Amino acid sequence: DVKVTQSSRYLVKRTGEKVFLECVQDMDHENMFWYRQDPGLGLRLIYFSYDVKMKEKGDIPEGYSVSREKKERFSLILESASTNQTSMYLCASSLGHRDNSPLHFGNGTRLTVT
Amino acid sequence: ILNVEQSPQSLHVQEGDSTNFTCSFPSSNFYALHWYRWETAKSPEALFVMTLNGDEKKKGRISATLNTKEGYSYLYIKGSQPEDSATYLCAPSTSGTYKYIFGTGTRLKVLA
Repeated sequence: DVKVTQSSRYLVKRTGEKVFLECVQDMDHENMFWYRQDPGLGLRLIYFSYDVKMKEKGDIPEGYSVSREKKERFSLILESASTNQTSMYLCASSLGHRDNSPLHFGNGTRLTVT
Repeated sequence: ILNVEQSPQSLHVQEGDSTNFTCSFPSSNFYALHWYRWETAKSPEALFVMTLNGDEKKKGRISATLNTKEGYSYLYIKGSQPEDSATYLCAPSTSGTYKYIFGTGTRLKVLA
């Protein structure tokens, strides 16, 4: 079974802090994704990566950056956390380049910015 | 950005009832559609990957159909059980992208 591991289940950070959310997958998947989930809204794509050092903006990239230095790890960075970034963050991975294989999700990180 | 609508938003059924929900999406440039089940305190789990118009997929008591010409997919659950209680998400994508756009989901509660 594919395992997607997010480093923290819950995080509380202060406004203005730099925040790192880490995600690791163990199945050599090429694609990795970061989504956020807010009440009343679907999962919204922040960034995705289809290869090491490759990244593309999703629908809501503002205030975020990402890093993919190794194939198995995809990090989401909040350069200066703000209260409107309080949310549930989900990492996902999928198999290959330009295929339609399903996403495998981590358990999520619930981030609170105070 | 794809506009994906799922209905109903929430649903309560009795154990043993059959139920179905809808996912609607723009039909142009369709590539694939995923269905996921998301149970409380767990991560979303893929149910089906659907690509062709007229596709029907089945997994136990759960099945799904796809109409790409009119832009909708139905998910059916036969003989609902309490363990089917979850939020069901659909996520279509357009050709040439990795972007699966998620609907807001249908929250199903099966009462014993």
